[in-house]
Formats: sequence, structure tokens, C-alpha cells
Amino acid sequence: EPEVTQTPSHQVTQMGQEVILRCVPISNHLYFYWYRQILGQKVEFLVSFYNNEISEKSEIFDDQFSVERPDGSNFTLKIRSTKLEDSAMYFCASSWGGEQFFGPGTRLTVL
Amino acid sequence: DQQVKQNSPSLSVQEGRISILNCDYTNSMFDYFLWYKKYPAEGPTFLISISSIKDKNEDGRFTVFLNKSAKHLSLHIVPSQPGDSAVYFCAASAKSGGSNYKLTFGKGTLLTVNP
Repeated sequence: EPEVTQTPSHQVTQMGQEVILRCVPISNHLYFYWYRQILGQKVEFLVSFYNNEISEKSEIFDDQFSVERPDGSNFTLKIRSTKLEDSAMYFCASSWGGEQFFGPGTRLTVL
Repeated sequence: DQQVKQNSPSLSVQEGRISILNCDYTNSMFDYFLWYKKYPAEGPTFLISISSIKDKNEDGRFTVFLNKSAKHLSLHIVPSQPGDSAVYFCAASAKSGGSNYKLTFGKGTLLTVNP
């Protein structure tokens, strides 16, 4: 069964460093998303991506964040200068237009 | 911003009995609702969805009921099995508002099914 994959599973970084989280969505899907879940809180929407451009972003998704689909298979989330409060689980999701399928997540720890 | 609320943080049921998980929403623009199950250290797994044009959708042991006038939905699991023990998230979207339809999640309910 096709699935969304994410790498790395755990990323530890120093405050102020750049991180890139990687996702491989399900191959025939058209819509791509990033969500995050801070420990003990809700899963929150960050950004959606369709047709090679951002279709919607939340207020969390400020200038420090960017997304890219550099080739036909990968979908990346870049955080330019990490802050302590960026520590969270980051989930990638994809869909063909119906339900969204989530990856296993990347745990980002900012020290 | 509590547009989707799951007021029960936890629920414990006996194996073989019915589990009923509840969810309320406030945004009348929501027209598509989903339930996800999540195990520790994994991503949310899609379970079942329902469009606002329906009031019930069934898939095996899982049934979702939607009461639009009350802005309430529920997930019924019958019979419950120990492997169903997980956190269950209710999510909603305003599909008619665009094709990207971001999901708004509730806080989740931890279901424990005791053997």
C-alpha cells in the first residue's frame, strides 16, 4: 500500500540553524501539506501546496518557513533560523483531493 | 481558536463493547469531516470521513454520524478491540472553500480498550 514517507525521523539542531525536513508524498497525489504538533497540543495546519505553488498558509508559516517541490517526488519544508518554539512533530500529508494521508512525522528538537 | 472540540480527553471501554467518541464544531463553513487514529510515534492514520450532505457513513466496525443542526459528530466503534487503543482525532475542513481544504483538528481522545 502506498504511503507518505518522511526523513529524518528525528532532527536535533541549535537555535538559529537552518533545517530542511523532507517528505515523499504518495505518487499520484496532487495536494501536499505540512502540519505540526507541539507536545501536548493540537495538530496545526502550516501550509498547503498545489500546482507548484502555495495555496494557503497559516499565521504560523512566517518568513522563516518555506516549502519546495524540487523534483517530481520530494516535498520539503525549510526553517531558515530555528527558534526554541519550533520544537515539535512535523507531519507531511498528501491527497488526490479527498482524505489526506499523513507521514510518520519528523521530531524536531531545537536546543 | 477552538473550532473543533473533543471534550473527552480519554475514554475506557471493555473489549467487545461499543466505543463512542464525540466531536463538536463551531464553524458553519465546515462541510467535510474526518476521523484519524494515531499511535505514539506515528502519523495520524485516516479512518473514515463524512460529507455534510450525509448524516451517516459506515465502514466495517466504524460508523460516523453527523448532526449538522447540533454541529456534532460521533464515531462509533463496534465491537471494540484492544488494537483500537489509540488517540482519535476529529478533523474538519471547508471543502467548498477551495481545493486545498486544510484540516482543523480537535485535541484528540485517548481510547483504551481493555481485554
